[in-house]
Amino acid sequence: GAGVSQSPRYKVAKRGQDVALRCDPISGHVSLFWYQQALGQGPEFLTYFQNEAQLDKSGLPSDRFFAERPEGSVSTLKIQRTQQEDSAVYLCASSPDRTASAKGYTFGSGTRLTVV
Amino acid sequence: AQSVTQPDIHITVSEGASLELRCNYSYGATPYLFWYVQSPGQGLQLLLKYFSGDTLVQGIKGFEAEFKRSQSSFNLRKPSVHWSDAAEYFCAVGSFGVGNEKLTFGTGTRLTIIP
Repeated sequence: GAGVSQSPRYKVAKRGQDVALRCDPISGHVSLFWYQQALGQGPEFLTYFQNEAQLDKSGLPSDRFFAERPEGSVSTLKIQRTQQEDSAVYLCASSPDRTASAKGYTFGSGTRLTVV
Repeated sequence: AQSVTQPDIHITVSEGASLELRCNYSYGATPYLFWYVQSPGQGLQLLLKYFSGDTLVQGIKGFEAEFKRSQSSFNLRKPSVHWSDAAEYFCAVGSFGVGNEKLTFGTGTRLTIIP
């Protein structure tokens, strides 16, 4: 597609529920990133993939968070047993390059997760 | 560890006036620096980036930024703002390398434009 597509745009989950957030990067993009943006804050790094390989997951806040990109294109961020502190906008970004941070990358519009 | 500070949480500017948004960074090597803009409900759009070379960088929508190593700053400027510039602005520093790719963002500056 023309841009990075994320779905759903909005998700309301009851505390304890599992959720799955989807990211469709720009076709052919090698690098894919997930960021978490809490209300009133800047985005914070969660994890990144180069093709299907998850090269850095140091930003995942707990073992309830899991990300995958099995075929090197679409990625899913899964949050198990959601907690209220998980409420945030989850942004996905992709880049055609392996050295993505050196050139900036294209962000999607995000999924706003609200845990009630 | 790298970090970014945006000292101004909220700035209000009259339409047509000049604008400067401040950004200070901490990074051990030559930094890769970025400014992004975020409109309500939207993702982040890249305004401009600095890697090396000329310290005055031109971006989209009439924005520019100047890298000052001695001050660890990368301030964003625009000579004359338009109402459509109202948004949240984020400065970021990038680290790179296999397994070390990430952007570290500041907390943002909200820009309000008054007629």
